[in-house]
Amino acid sequence: AQKVTQAQTEISVVEKEDVTLDCVYETRDTTYYLFWYKQPPSGELVFLIRRNSFDEQNEISGRYSWNFQKSTSSFNFTITASQVVDSAVYFCALSFTGGFKTIFGAGTRLFVKA
Amino acid sequence: DTGVSQDPRHKITKRGQNVTFRCDPISEHNRLYWYRQTLGQGPEFLTYFQNEAQLEKSRLLSDRFSAERPKGSFSTLEIQRTEQGDSAMYLCASSLAAGEAFFGQGTRLTVV
Repeated sequence: AQKVTQAQTEISVVEKEDVTLDCVYETRDTTYYLFWYKQPPSGELVFLIRRNSFDEQNEISGRYSWNFQKSTSSFNFTITASQVVDSAVYFCALSFTGGFKTIFGAGTRLFVKA
Repeated sequence: DTGVSQDPRHKITKRGQNVTFRCDPISEHNRLYWYRQTLGQGPEFLTYFQNEAQLEKSRLLSDRFSAERPKGSFSTLEIQRTEQGDSAMYLCASSLAAGEAFFGQGTRLTVV
């Protein structure tokens, strides 16, 4: 089965708190890609990161960081010092080599209060 | 080119009517995708084009749904005899190759 699970439906934090969004995936393929997207209230999906299955290095981009662990099939996303503008729905997704179909999780809605 | 463009942004239609949505991808992108997103869920794959060829269709795409991409540029998604269950956000995305897809803002369909 190919599946993405985001167990956290909603998270609410106060501005400047750190927050981690969990993502667990299932696939039997050895080569795959993992993504995070942000969906603000305007509706479009904004690409945040793509990681292939052979690259387990953690990545940091400004206040965003990602922790990819193949041993636990997880690809977690941390926002450091959250801001109100981070409020959105965040989706974790899974795709495959030569693939055209991206499988999305159900999303985690993040509320950041001032 | 400012990104993937979808038209209209919102559509309200009566049950049984036909609707058509348009997607203009990023100009140099040869891959185009349609997804459907219902409330509280992630987007679900509907169909995929490489240039003008429709290479894959999801089982979600019933006979009432048809998509085209003439000349490998813009694409249209038509829903015939709409049902209330068709109410959703329809998202279009484009890409150069497998990997990063750029999504449009979507068309929100409400069937009353």
